[in-house]
Amino acid sequence: QSVLTQPPSVSGAPGQRVTISCTGSSSNIGAHYDVHWYQQLPGTAPKLLIYGYNNRPSGVPDRFSGSKSGTSASLAITGLQAEDEADYYCQSYDSSLSGSIFGGGTKLTVL
Amino acid sequence: QVQLVQSGAEVKKAGSSVKVSCKASGGTFSSYAISWVRQAPGQGLEWMGGIIPIFGAPNYAQNFQGRVTITTDESTSTAYLELSSLRSEDTAVYYCARGTAAGMTPFEYWGQGTLVTVSS
Repeated sequence: QSVLTQPPSVSGAPGQRVTISCTGSSSNIGAHYDVHWYQQLPGTAPKLLIYGYNNRPSGVPDRFSGSKSGTSASLAITGLQAEDEADYYCQSYDSSLSGSIFGGGTKLTVL
Repeated sequence: QVQLVQSGAEVKKAGSSVKVSCKASGGTFSSYAISWVRQAPGQGLEWMGGIIPIFGAPNYAQNFQGRVTITTDESTSTAYLELSSLRSEDTAVYYCARGTAAGMTPFEYWGQGTLVTVSS
């Protein structure tokens, strides 16, 4: 059971917009710790997608964006493409655990 | 550019220990945090702990306290993860990941992963 809760799966058709939620608590997201998002393609290492609320590393298209409100954060993907099909993970820090935490991951299927 | 190259796959007996290495190149090793993250087959990511080489004091996830040791060798820009008292549930891909100049996270660079298989 992950401290950060994500839906196990989401899906969307090419060109559509999808969002992936990440629900935490007052000891992590609600305590204003940064939220980061990673994309993991099958058989590969995770890749940093969004960091510190809504910043994209060089090379990440602006179709990907992050937001945060209260004890939750969200990743939005617009103009869905086939190559976006992957697992997505949120990450934050938890003061009760004194360490970094991940969400359980969300599998995105492009229909 | 920054690269993290990990050691090869390991097969271990339950009860034994494993030590995985992560050699960094293309950056200033001492100033950036290195963390270890594992992923069991078909499961999500789990942070195990991290260290900033220049400070030397590791921070371990509560789930692994007493079983994990993270060290660095600044002379070779290499970080190590040692996990003891292995059990079948420790079968996983183990990744090293580097933080940014701002702190332990986010994990900007990742190693290729090392599969550790624990057999009984």
